[in-house]
Amino acid sequence: DAGVIQSPRHEVTEMGQEVTLRCKPISGHDYLFWYRQTMMRGLELLIYFNNNVPIDDSGMPEDRFSAKMPNASFSTLKIQPSEPRDSAVYFCASSLWGGPQPLEQYFGPGTRLTVT
Amino acid sequence: GNSVTQMEGPVTLSEEAFLTINCTYTATGYPSLFWYVQYPGEGLQLLLKATKADDKGSNKGFEATYRKETTSFHLEKGSVQVSDSAVYFCALPGTNSGYALNFGKGTSLLVTP
Repeated sequence: DAGVIQSPRHEVTEMGQEVTLRCKPISGHDYLFWYRQTMMRGLELLIYFNNNVPIDDSGMPEDRFSAKMPNASFSTLKIQPSEPRDSAVYFCASSLWGGPQPLEQYFGPGTRLTVT
Repeated sequence: GNSVTQMEGPVTLSEEAFLTINCTYTATGYPSLFWYVQYPGEGLQLLLKATKADDKGSNKGFEATYRKETTSFHLEKGSVQVSDSAVYFCALPGTNSGYALNFGKGTSLLVTP
């Protein structure tokens, strides 16, 4: 398997523009997670899905952020409008269901977003 | 919810030195505990895990023992290599019914020749 695929790997945009980050999880995985990583705040969970259904979006910073998972092989994270404080590395991860305890999460390579 | 606290970094060691990175947890019950590693420019990857108290996880020469008495899961390696330079994250489920993990702030390790 190719692992979790994210695109683009790098994105530079101007403040106010819409940004869409994409993720293809590992085939057959039941869970998909979106994280944001910054030096100041570390690794933050934004939202996660189970079988394409959002389970917990309490980490989404504000209404400017939205995430969708239209099918089992694709998810998007959209920021509209973008702001400089959104600059970060955004990771997507996926995992299988393993009963009551979580299994290993497989991370993508990340998208480095710079908002100027 | 459950949480972990990691020692602050950065940690700088000479090659072949002994490594310990401290991690303590606060949790209801005994959830699985994880160590992830992030190499420069990459996503996180699982290093090792322990699924119940007194379990020892091990991989690539790294070890960690799930100690319920001290609520700890310290990462150790007897002889580090330059290639071990990375950021290490301790993690556990955020709640005992959910699948999301809470990660520590990460500990940066630099190993010099």
